[in-house]
Amino acid sequence: DTAVSQTPKYLVTQMGNDKSIKCEQNLGHDTMYWYKQDSKKFLKIMFSYNNKELIINETVPNRFSPKSPDKAHLNLHINSLELGDSAVYFCASSPYLNTGELFFGEGSRLTVL
Amino acid sequence: DQQVKQNSPSLSVQEGRISILNCDYTNSMFDYFLWYKKYPAEGPTFLISISSIKDKNEDGRFTVFLNKSAKHLSLHIVPSQPGDSAVYFCAASAQGGSEKLVFGKGTKLTVNP
Repeated sequence: DTAVSQTPKYLVTQMGNDKSIKCEQNLGHDTMYWYKQDSKKFLKIMFSYNNKELIINETVPNRFSPKSPDKAHLNLHINSLELGDSAVYFCASSPYLNTGELFFGEGSRLTVL
Repeated sequence: DQQVKQNSPSLSVQEGRISILNCDYTNSMFDYFLWYKKYPAEGPTFLISISSIKDKNEDGRFTVFLNKSAKHLSLHIVPSQPGDSAVYFCAASAQGGSEKLVFGKGTKLTVNP
């Protein structure tokens, strides 16, 4: 049983398209995150949700819209994809207000052509 | 603005020897530090952490040292094993919260048999 699972693992699409990445965790955690690892290898937080409520939005363009239907799921929808959106997107979860131990999914590699 | 810096992109050591991975930070508000390990095509996994009230934390072959005055931490792996070959990310948080972990760029460790 995968603790944090993301689908799809690979996504290749054209500029201007809309795409979604899904994430599910079966750890019973309250908090879920989306991180982006760009070509420079930095892992940067994009969004954080606690019990379906948005608690962090790190100046991400509003083309990115996270949705949390319940506390076990956090999906990421991206509109009007741009070349610069090409990256690996990691979903993660943690117990709320813990000291920083996150449980990451395997990542979803998005390539925008 | 890199608040967490890992200045060595790669490190190569012989099996059985010590691996020392370094990390520097600039934000004096950081009070909790973590190391994550990442294998190719997998998400980062938590390895070890240290609170700013300590200067050392040990877990088996892994020891993290914190020098607050120098804003520097290091991860020691003794003895190094080929299975330790991975990318190691240093991360930091302020006020003990997981909501906004700041990651370094990572150091790729190769342990040669």
